[in-house]
Amino acid sequence: EVQLLESGGGSVQPGGSLRLSCAASGFTFSTYGMSWVRQAPGKGLEWVSTISNSGDSTFYADSVKGRFTISRDNSKNTLYLQMNSLRVEDTAVYYCAKSGPFYFEYWGQGTRVTVSS
Amino acid sequence: EIVMTQSPATLSVSPGERATLSCRASQSVSSDLAWYQQKPGQAPSLLIYGASTRATGIPARFSGSGSGTEFTLTISSLQSEDFAVYYCQQYNNWPRTFGQGTTVEI
Repeated sequence: EVQLLESGGGSVQPGGSLRLSCAASGFTFSTYGMSWVRQAPGKGLEWVSTISNSGDSTFYADSVKGRFTISRDNSKNTLYLQMNSLRVEDTAVYYCAKSGPFYFEYWGQGTRVTVSS
Repeated sequence: EIVMTQSPATLSVSPGERATLSCRASQSVSSDLAWYQQKPGQAPSLLIYGASTRATGIPARFSGSGSGTEFTLTISSLQSEDFAVYYCQQYNNWPRTFGQGTTVEI
């Protein structure tokens, strides 16, 4: 059974940083691309970032480019999202997803990030 | 950026009725289209990919159709557990984009 467990969310002031983690199990992590998708309170889904299975290729939404960094450790079956220079508009539930570069096949339960002064 | 537009925003149906949800892309995405279901307080889950292929474990009452710019998700006979928000998503181009969602309510 595929399991994705996010952690690292919390409350931070504008301009601050957080590092999200996603622990994966139930599949061969190193053979799949992975993604982060977020959902602001009461809003729809927004793709944030995708990383290839090897970590060689990364893709970002314009809204986070230059501020967020996606990475992975295949030896630990873990996906990361380093979020710097956080803004109020980054407030959302952040989901990790097993994706390849295409659709989002499995989703974690999400971790909440609140950016507020 | 490819803009995905879903209609209607809200669909009111009765259990046992048929529901038809639409998704339009601002440019062709071929068949690179997925549908997701999200229930309150839960993560989204994949229903359909490749515009018409049901994901593992998805009941046959869910069907997808279309290609290019026009897509449809049909729920043939709504069950109580189907009342949720449905999103379409294109994966033909970067950035990946979602529609704004259709709420299927009783």
